[in-house]
Amino acid sequence: GQQLNQSPQSMFIQEGEDVSMNCTSSSIFNTWLWYKQDPGEGPVLLIALYKAGELTSNGRLTAQFGITRKDSFLNISASIPSDVGIYFCAGQGSGCSNYKLTFGKGTLLTVNP
Amino acid sequence: DAGVIQSPRHEVTEMGQEVTLRCKPISGHDYLFWYRQTMMRGLELLIYFNNNVPIDDSGMPEDRFSAKMPNASFSTLKIQPSEPRDSAVYFCASSFSHGYTFGSGTRLTVV
Repeated sequence: GQQLNQSPQSMFIQEGEDVSMNCTSSSIFNTWLWYKQDPGEGPVLLIALYKAGELTSNGRLTAQFGITRKDSFLNISASIPSDVGIYFCAGQGSGCSNYKLTFGKGTLLTVNP
Repeated sequence: DAGVIQSPRHEVTEMGQEVTLRCKPISGHDYLFWYRQTMMRGLELLIYFNNNVPIDDSGMPEDRFSAKMPNASFSTLKIQPSEPRDSAVYFCASSFSHGYTFGSGTRLTVV
């Protein structure tokens, strides 16, 4: 089945630093999504990308849908302590599996104040 | 909107017992998904429904797992009999188009 390779697995940064994480896939996706999961909660959607090459921002977060449709990255600028959590990329396919999301293994972000 | 509601939040049961997890999706959402999350395997799709009909159950690990959606506002995931390796956080999510809204999950511990 489809697999997503998400990196890095974990990051330890100082407050105020910028962060970058990415996902790559062997398959093409029609939609890329980025989620954040806080401890004890379900993942929450941060950004959705619908077109190859699309660059979308949500506050301090910026994400891009790769031209090949097989990759995406997420940047967080000027990190703050509440950015701590696990970030997941997810790809949504086409055809019969259009509504299935395939998730990466996540990037655990720790921000030191 | 109350979001996706799951119950219970925590469940501890003995091996061999039946476990039922419950989910109320967001009103108007026509897709419902059950995921399992573990440290080793991450988020795994178990089964999903469209308009209350199961579409893909290829992720259900064994016959011990079953899921139903009797109406648009309720779904259950049942494990019978439960085993220690079923210990995980189980998420329900619902969707209308792109992206999902997840519930807060049920943390299942089988001892």
